[in-house]
Amino acid sequence: KNQVEQSPQSLIILEGKNCTLQCNYTVSPFSNLRWYKQDTGRGPVSLTIMTFSENTKSNGRYTATLDADTKQSSLHITASQLSDSASYICVVTRNQAGTALIFGKGTTLSVSS
Amino acid sequence: SAVISQKPSRDICQRGTSLTIQCQVDSQVTMMFWYRQQPGQSLTLIATANQGSEATYESGFVIDKFPISRPNLTFSTLTVSNMSPEDSSIYLCSVLTSGQETQYFGPGTRLLVL
Repeated sequence: KNQVEQSPQSLIILEGKNCTLQCNYTVSPFSNLRWYKQDTGRGPVSLTIMTFSENTKSNGRYTATLDADTKQSSLHITASQLSDSASYICVVTRNQAGTALIFGKGTTLSVSS
Repeated sequence: SAVISQKPSRDICQRGTSLTIQCQVDSQVTMMFWYRQQPGQSLTLIATANQGSEATYESGFVIDKFPISRPNLTFSTLTVSNMSPEDSSIYLCSVLTSGQETQYFGPGTRLLVL
């Protein structure tokens, strides 16, 4: 069964600290993996995208890793800010056209001062 | 990236009524999709909106409940018909543009059915 599992379900950290979110997937075929950030009341916004051959991708303070052998990905957030408070969704695409997406349930991150 | 707007942004409706959600894109796109995000759940694809023809629905979703229109390459509507409290969700449209693999999402419509 095609599934994307994320952990933890929720996370609270202090402003300025780092954190790492996990994503395990059992999706086949595999085209790419994306991390989206979804602010409350907003639509998801793409942070990173990685194909099978890429094992790390950065976007500012966000760094995503991908291990295609173990089918695991992580999203590392450095020096967290209050504005990082959001839901982070791991999404695996099954086809190159980008039409077949499998979504994780997301990790809700709360950054407090 | 495409700029997507949705109307309304939120609504509170009575059971048995219908609501039409609009999705407008600032440029022509190849594909448009409608998703549902129930509380605490991941996004679920409802259907692919096809320009000039009937939408393609995913398993568990039917046209009578979620009629969709796409009259041109920049606009689509989703109607949630005969609503019940179980339809309370966030409804999002997304688009794919030619040559791009990333779906861009609208801001969503937060629906509460009483």
